[in-house]
Amino acid sequence: EDQVTQSPEALRLQEGESSSLNCSYTVSGLRGLFWYRQDPGKGPEFLFTLYSAGEEKEKERLKATLTKKESFLHITAPKPEDSATYLCAVRANNLFFGTGTRLTVIP
Amino acid sequence: DAGVTQSPTHLIKTRGQQVTLRCSPKSGHDTVSWYQQALGQGPQFIFQYYEEEERQRGNFPDRFSGHQFPNYSSELNVNALLLGDSALYLCASSLGGIQETQYFGPGTRLLVL
Repeated sequence: EDQVTQSPEALRLQEGESSSLNCSYTVSGLRGLFWYRQDPGKGPEFLFTLYSAGEEKEKERLKATLTKKESFLHITAPKPEDSATYLCAVRANNLFFGTGTRLTVIP
Repeated sequence: DAGVTQSPTHLIKTRGQQVTLRCSPKSGHDTVSWYQQALGQGPQFIFQYYEEEERQRGNFPDRFSGHQFPNYSSELNVNALLLGDSALYLCASSLGGIQETQYFGPGTRLLVL
C-alpha cells in the first residue's frame, strides 16, 4: 500500500535558523516525488519534482533531495514569509499526499 | 498566463443536496484532476479526466462524479451530500502524460450543514 509520512507535524524556527523537513515513502513504482507549499485556505503551490535517488533541486532558500526511501526539504536561513504547510506527494498511479509539515518562522 | 481557476470560492449546502464545482485548467493543459482536502489533512485524489474520459479514480463513492468538456474545463458533481463531505475541493491541471507536474487552483470551500 502506498504510504507517505511527513515529519515533524509542526516546526517553529527563529528567522535565520536553518532546518530540514522529512518525507518518507513506500510506493510501488515511484514515478516522481513532489513538494508543494500551501498557505491557509489556498491551493498547493508547486515547488519541486524529483524523479531519481540522488537528485537535488534548489529554489531560493529551499533545497529538495531524494533517496530511495525518503526526501528532505532543507530550508536555509528562513524568513517569516516561508511560514506555510509543506506537502510531499508521491506519484505511482496517481498523486498520493502526506499530511504536511506546518512551518512557522518567528521574526 | 492564466493559472488554474475554480468556482465558486465558497459554498454552503445542506445534507442531501447536490453540488457542482467548476474548474478551468492552466493554459495549454489538457488533464484535470480533482482532490478533496479535509482540515489538517493532505489532499486526497478523487479522479482524473483526460480527453473527456475518467482516466483514474481514487477511493471515493459513486456519489462523486465528473465531466470534462472539449475545452478541457471540468466539473465535479457530488450527490446526496453528507456532513463529511465538508472540505476544500481542489482542482489540478497538467499536460498529457502521468508524470507531468500538477498545478493546483485556489480551491472551493464546501460546507455541508
